[in-house]
Amino acid sequence: DAGVTQSPTHLIKTRGQQVTLRCSPKSGHDTVSWYQQALGQGPQFIFQYYEEEERQRGNFPDRFSGHQFPNYSSELNVNALLLGDSALYLCASSLHHGGYGYTFGSGTRLTVV
Amino acid sequence: AQSVTQPDIHITVSEGASLELRCNYSYGATPYLFWYVQSPGQGLQLLLKYFSGDTLVQGIKGFEAEFKRSQSSFNLRKPSVHWSDAAEYFCAVGASGGSYIPTFGRGTSLIVHP
Repeated sequence: DAGVTQSPTHLIKTRGQQVTLRCSPKSGHDTVSWYQQALGQGPQFIFQYYEEEERQRGNFPDRFSGHQFPNYSSELNVNALLLGDSALYLCASSLHHGGYGYTFGSGTRLTVV
Repeated sequence: AQSVTQPDIHITVSEGASLELRCNYSYGATPYLFWYVQSPGQGLQLLLKYFSGDTLVQGIKGFEAEFKRSQSSFNLRKPSVHWSDAAEYFCAVGASGGSYIPTFGRGTSLIVHP
């Protein structure tokens, strides 16, 4: 049973560039959430996608955007990268109401230089 | 808005000793509570969750947690720690009336001495 798959695992970008991170949810899950985890901190909620629409959003600027595809996979896009965007980006999938818990991927480590 | 406090940044225990990691939450209604574990360079693995019912919840890897509404706490316990338990532990609270999106604490790093 495949869990949550994220790609790439590591990425280095330059300030001002744009980046796209990808996530395939666990089989049977239809909802994808994205989190940012800075070093030494807990994960911070970015947004959640369900039925190809952004359902809920955390306190992140519009530079952070996303998309969900008909097969439930998702992308996270970050524009105009800042040094402070360096973090582990985690994708979590769930059934739409999330009542059975969230399954996390191993994350994408983004370094902005 | 909900929030979680994990007052201990680091906890050091000897292998075989008991463990208790503290978690306090803030939420106006009945919360949904979670404990996750993260090994270095890895994602988060769900240890256990509380939605309702019995306030003592059993999880994987021999962990348990007790929900105490009067203290707004959801502490994680294990009777005998193994060296492989060394990791980062996160407590999270989800809104019961919404999509249960977890809000995480800053985590507690568990160090296990042989």
